[in-house]
Amino acid sequence: QKEVEQDPGPLSVPEGAIVSLNCTYSNSAFQYFMWYRQYSRKGPELLMYTYSSGNKEDGRFTAQVDKSSKYISLFIRDSQPSDSATYLCAMLDTGNQFYFGTGTSLTVIP
Amino acid sequence: DAGITQSPRYKITETGRQVTLMCHQTWSHSYMFWYRQDLGHGLRLIYYSAAADITDKGEVPDGYVVSRSKTENFPLTLESATRSQTSVYFCASRDLQGPSGNTIYFGEGSWLTVV
Repeated sequence: QKEVEQDPGPLSVPEGAIVSLNCTYSNSAFQYFMWYRQYSRKGPELLMYTYSSGNKEDGRFTAQVDKSSKYISLFIRDSQPSDSATYLCAMLDTGNQFYFGTGTSLTVIP
Repeated sequence: DAGITQSPRYKITETGRQVTLMCHQTWSHSYMFWYRQDLGHGLRLIYYSAAADITDKGEVPDGYVVSRSKTENFPLTLESATRSQTSVYFCASRDLQGPSGNTIYFGEGSWLTVV
């Protein structure tokens, strides 16, 4: 079983929809949680990071962490065609190792 | 501009040849990493470095060599390229200071094809 599981999609939604992207994990040592956005032929770009259970909001993006369920989510409100990308979740454990999901491919249709 | 610069961005090489992928960062971050990204596997750590002259293996180090003589540079060498090393390679760095100390930042990637 992988340390981090992420549904690869692909996910296709109409413009303006609310998008929910999710990752589950098995290691209780994960302390910090990140979401990256990766456009085609580009490197992953940090979107959001958080270290506690609960919600963190940044514009149209909300990161949610539920440590008791070992589940994190990224919500995108009012999705735009420019949000079309692959989204990677990432986690850092207490031993300073990073773990990445395999990514969810998102297409927002105008 | 500050950040991570990788070169070359695209490279085609033949089996058995030595290839070096360059990585330069302007932030003076202590940690640097090399990942490869493959369909179905996601990002896999090849090597990382905690500081100049300190390097350590990651998940998939076989066939790769790294060095870090200066904080800002972290080249990755494929000593004798094989077709299984066809991949996209990402260099990354991590700053241990400040609120973003628990995140890493990636370069734009180097696409390598071994024929």
